[in-house]
Amino acid sequence: DIVMTQTPRFLSVIPGQPASISCKSSQSLQHSDGKTYVYWYRQKPGQPPQLLIQQLSKRSSGVSDRFAASGSGTDFTLSISRVEADDVGLYYCMQSLQVPLTFGGGTKVEVK
Amino acid sequence: QVQLVQSGPEVKKPGSSVKVSCKASGGSFNTYDLNWVRQAPGQGLEWMGRIVPILDKTNYAQSFQGRLTITADESTNTAYMELSSLTSDDTALYYCARGHELADYFYFYGMDIWGQGTTVTVSS
Repeated sequence: DIVMTQTPRFLSVIPGQPASISCKSSQSLQHSDGKTYVYWYRQKPGQPPQLLIQQLSKRSSGVSDRFAASGSGTDFTLSISRVEADDVGLYYCMQSLQVPLTFGGGTKVEVK
Repeated sequence: QVQLVQSGPEVKKPGSSVKVSCKASGGSFNTYDLNWVRQAPGQGLEWMGRIVPILDKTNYAQSFQGRLTITADESTNTAYMELSSLTSDDTALYYCARGHELADYFYFYGMDIWGQGTTVTVSS
């Protein structure tokens, strides 16, 4: 199975400041079709996960442009340019290159 | 916009089975992956498997092989997840979630539409 390792596990950010979350996979997530099958989600308490980023760096519909994702191979980053109070939650990366689909352990984001 | 509505909470005895439904409304059902993901209390997300209704194709995580059955009824736009030989470790919130692109036999996609979740509690 592909292991997804997120760091940090906890992030406390001042509003207006940037934040970033790292996700490393145990093998490359780039498919032979050229696409990279890594995704980012945010989960708020009592809610299902919300898809933020598709296939490495494409923002899902309605997702703020304060969110950006990048990376290649086995190293990926989700960045929030200016954190707002509503950004609190648990953030997960996920790979869909290979079955079983696997998630990172999650990063809890707190806004001070 | 497609919505996924799941069946209500379940309480089961160890060794029994549970069957959770996920009904799609408001859009296409059978041409997208329908995945099942679970989340144990205070834990992260675990992918269980998927079905592609139009292809009648299922894939399961190895850790659930032999215990998990995912089916779909295209006439009612409903998918089902049945898990057998339950133990306390299966106590979790179970989600159905739709893949974000049209299904493909060989590809797997992230999930953009999620059901509200169904709590399954396994207790003697």
